[in-house]
Amino acid sequence: GAVVSQHPSWVICKSGTSVKIECRSLDFQATTMFWYRQFPKQSLMLMATSNEGSKATYEQGVEKDKFLINHASLTLSTLTVTSAHPEDSSFYICSASPGGGEAFFGQGTRLTVV
Amino acid sequence: AQSVAQPEDQVNVAEGNPLTVKCTYSVSGNPYLFWYVQYPNRGLQFLLKYITGDNLVKGSYGFEAEFNKSQTSFHLKKPSALVSDSALYFCAVRGGSSASKIIFGSGTRLSIRP
Repeated sequence: GAVVSQHPSWVICKSGTSVKIECRSLDFQATTMFWYRQFPKQSLMLMATSNEGSKATYEQGVEKDKFLINHASLTLSTLTVTSAHPEDSSFYICSASPGGGEAFFGQGTRLTVV
Repeated sequence: AQSVAQPEDQVNVAEGNPLTVKCTYSVSGNPYLFWYVQYPNRGLQFLLKYITGDNLVKGSYGFEAEFNKSQTSFHLKKPSALVSDSALYFCAVRGGSSASKIIFGSGTRLSIRP
């Protein structure tokens, strides 16, 4: 199946700093990528839909200035958590779709803000 | 608006017995339906999907799911459970468009006892 690579797999940062997470589709082009957040023992909450060449579409309650999304190419989307705080600590997962309905997921990024 | 429900937080099954993990959905138009499995601190692994065609879908690790349009259900099944099947299972739905977002159910923890 198609491969989606997410980097880094884990990161620890100080409160107030920014962290960038990359999501790459390795063997297909994805005009649309999705960013999810997962709290411990909970489901995946869709944060935003990343569209290549245009602005991301954020879900209700998600701060667009806090979670910056850039989808600069058909194989790369980035999520930047700006001025991170401990409450931003979470597991972030991206997904990409080559079309045809199916979506593939990255391995996730564990963010810990101290 | 699309939604997906997994009514059981946990399912307990003895090894060798059949298992069923329930999922119902709501979406406009024809749905794309998915099952994913997640092991601790890991990303999502794709199990199977229904896009169109045969209502009975066979997937990875011996799992299968049946699409039932009248009951708007997509239950995950396996004839004989293994202890290694113990994990968190997510049902997901996507509207009939490659650009529509993927929404996840709350997840069901499957526990297989030896």
